[in-house]
Amino acid sequence: AQSVTQPDIHITVSEGASLELRCNYSYGATPYLFWYVQSPGQGLQLLLKYFSGDTLVQGIKGFEAEFKRSQSSFNLRKPSVHWSDAAEYFCAFTSSTDSWGKLQFGAGTQVVVTP
Amino acid sequence: GAGVSQSPSNKVTEKGKDVELRCDPISGHTALYWYRQSLGQGLEFLIYFQGNSAPDKSGLPSDRFSAERTGGSVSTLTIQRTQQEDSAVYLCASSLFAGTDTQYFGPGTRLTVL
Repeated sequence: AQSVTQPDIHITVSEGASLELRCNYSYGATPYLFWYVQSPGQGLQLLLKYFSGDTLVQGIKGFEAEFKRSQSSFNLRKPSVHWSDAAEYFCAFTSSTDSWGKLQFGAGTQVVVTP
Repeated sequence: GAGVSQSPSNKVTEKGKDVELRCDPISGHTALYWYRQSLGQGLEFLIYFQGNSAPDKSGLPSDRFSAERTGGSVSTLTIQRTQQEDSAVYLCASSLFAGTDTQYFGPGTRLTVL
C-alpha cells in the first residue's frame, strides 16, 4: 500500500541547533512529496514540495528537504532552529495514479524548541 | 488576498444531531478538499471536488457523511446523526486545480460531540 511514515513522534531541539525530521515513503514509482507545518491553533502551511528533478528542495522559513530514492526517504532539515519553529510537522504524499491531489499524511512529528 | 475560510470555528453538538460545516475556498480555485484530523486517526482525506463534482468520496467514513459544492465555490460538509467518534477538527483546503497544485488549508472547524 502507498504510505508515508514519520518514525519520530516527538523531537526536542535547542534553539540554534540543527533539525532533521524523517519521512519514509512506500510507493512503486516516483511519488509527489510534501512537508507541511501546523502551528498551534493554525491550519497547515506548505513548507516545500518535491515532484521531480533536483533532489534537494528549498522551501520557506529556511527549510530544505532531500529526496533519496535509494532510501525511500524525504527528510526535512533546518540548519539553525528558531523558537518559532516549534510546531507539528507533517510529511505528505500524493501520486498520479491515486485520486488526483488526495494527500496522504504521515502521523506527524511534534517539535519542541528549548532555550 | 483572502485565504480559505471555514465556519464555524468551533461547534459543540449533542450525539444524534446533524451538523453542517462550511468552507469558502480561495477565489478561482477549482479544486476543494476536506480532511479530518483526530487524535486516533491523524490526518485523513475525506472527499475532494473538482468544480462541483466529487470524483472521489472514498474517504467519507460512513453514509452519515455527505458533502456538496455549489457554484464551484462554497462547500458544505454535513454529518447526520453525529456520534462521539465524529469529534475531530475538519480541515478544508483548496487549490487552483486538482493534482499537484499547492493546497491551501483553512484554520479548521473543531467539532465536539457530547
